[in-house]
Amino acid sequence: SQKIEQNSEALNIQEGKTATLTCNYTNYSPAYLQWYRQDPGRGPVFLLLIRENEKEKRKERLKVTFDTTLKQSLFHITASQPADSATYLCALEAGAGSYQLTFGKGTKLSVIP
Amino acid sequence: KAGVTQTPRYLIKTRGQQVTLSCSPISGHRSVSWYQQTPGQGLQFLFEYFSETQRNKGNFPGRFSGRQFSNSRSEMNVSTLELGDSALYLCASSSGGFGGGEQYFGPGTRLTVT
Repeated sequence: SQKIEQNSEALNIQEGKTATLTCNYTNYSPAYLQWYRQDPGRGPVFLLLIRENEKEKRKERLKVTFDTTLKQSLFHITASQPADSATYLCALEAGAGSYQLTFGKGTKLSVIP
Repeated sequence: KAGVTQTPRYLIKTRGQQVTLSCSPISGHRSVSWYQQTPGQGLQFLFEYFSETQRNKGNFPGRFSGRQFSNSRSEMNVSTLELGDSALYLCASSSGGFGGGEQYFGPGTRLTVT
């Protein structure tokens, strides 16, 4: 069966360090993968999308990599700040043309001042 | 552009009742998806609508239903509420079919069933 796993439920990191979050998947052949941020009591907010033919994508302090051989995406936040504290979710389309996004359960990141 | 709006934001219902939640997508967006979020299960897909047609449905019982109107606004209905239906219900809109479209989420409706 299809699975999306975000390896850490929670990750604590010191301010200024680089946070690295992992998303692994099985039994998917995704054309793309997305990352979202969710703050408590709010809806997720789209951050980045990376396509299967892209190895890496950057946006300001964010970087995403996508390895379709390893079936893994890494999400990095450089020079992390307390304001980066949130839950980060990865998401894949359940199947080509399925019109359904399947989300991992998220990693709760806490950046400690 | 105004974001996705959901009403009501909070709702308390009793077991056995039914509830209707509403979602207004971003102007110009024709796709609306609904999700249920609970601490144990995370975000789970309920259904997706595009131009008033349901294109996909998640693995939920028939008590969960939805519809989309010609102006792209969407409603979801849960009949015969159970305690386990307590959750945050999120809707998300996107410009159209998938092929890389990111989703824009509303703030959610917090449903509590007592």
